[in-house]
Amino acid sequence: GAGVSQSPSNKVTEKGKDVELRCDPISGHTALYWYRQSLGQGLEFLIYFQGNSAPDKSGLPSDRFSAERTGGSVSTLTIQRTQQEDSAVYLCASSRDSNQPQHFGDGTRLSIL
Amino acid sequence: AQSVTQPDIHITVSEGASLELRCNYSYGATPYLFWYVQSPGQGLQLLLKYFSGDTLVQGIKGFEAEFKRSQSSFNLRKPSVHWSDAAEYFCAVQTGGTSYGKLTFGQGTILTVHP
Repeated sequence: GAGVSQSPSNKVTEKGKDVELRCDPISGHTALYWYRQSLGQGLEFLIYFQGNSAPDKSGLPSDRFSAERTGGSVSTLTIQRTQQEDSAVYLCASSRDSNQPQHFGDGTRLSIL
Repeated sequence: AQSVTQPDIHITVSEGASLELRCNYSYGATPYLFWYVQSPGQGLQLLLKYFSGDTLVQGIKGFEAEFKRSQSSFNLRKPSVHWSDAAEYFCAVQTGGTSYGKLTFGQGTILTVHP
């Protein structure tokens, strides 16, 4: 069956612009996670969704970052007023519930000029 | 807070040789433990997981890992490495309760395979 789908696969934008990253999880997976992978920080948790609600947003680095999930399915991670330190690969993962293994998408590589 | 340490940043082995990648974790109880593999430009693929029970777990692609509670370790092994195993490997832990299943990752180990 289809895996976790992320779009775009690559995004290049100018500093100060807003970006939206999309994640389409595996059908039926109620849990959805966003992670960030960067050279300096490794893999870091950003936010967790259970259905449409986000009980854990503790990993979001600043108020420029926000995320939503609609219909218990697609999620969008938005970064406002991008900075160069936002350059990273943003990975989305989903699982049947929070106690099941997570399946990852191929990520969105974000480059801030 | 939990943490994961992968002591080896980069390992090089010859094709056909055995492999062991080390992982140590710090957590007050026994977490769920995972190994993921990442090829360039791709996401993470789950190799194997330990939740409970038998401490030697088998995964995909001929990999296995052994959980040792006394050493807080979960080392990944493969008896004979193939060139296609070259990739970056991540150990991760998942704790219960209010962590909501989020994964804490080690820094990763890059595996190079020589022909």
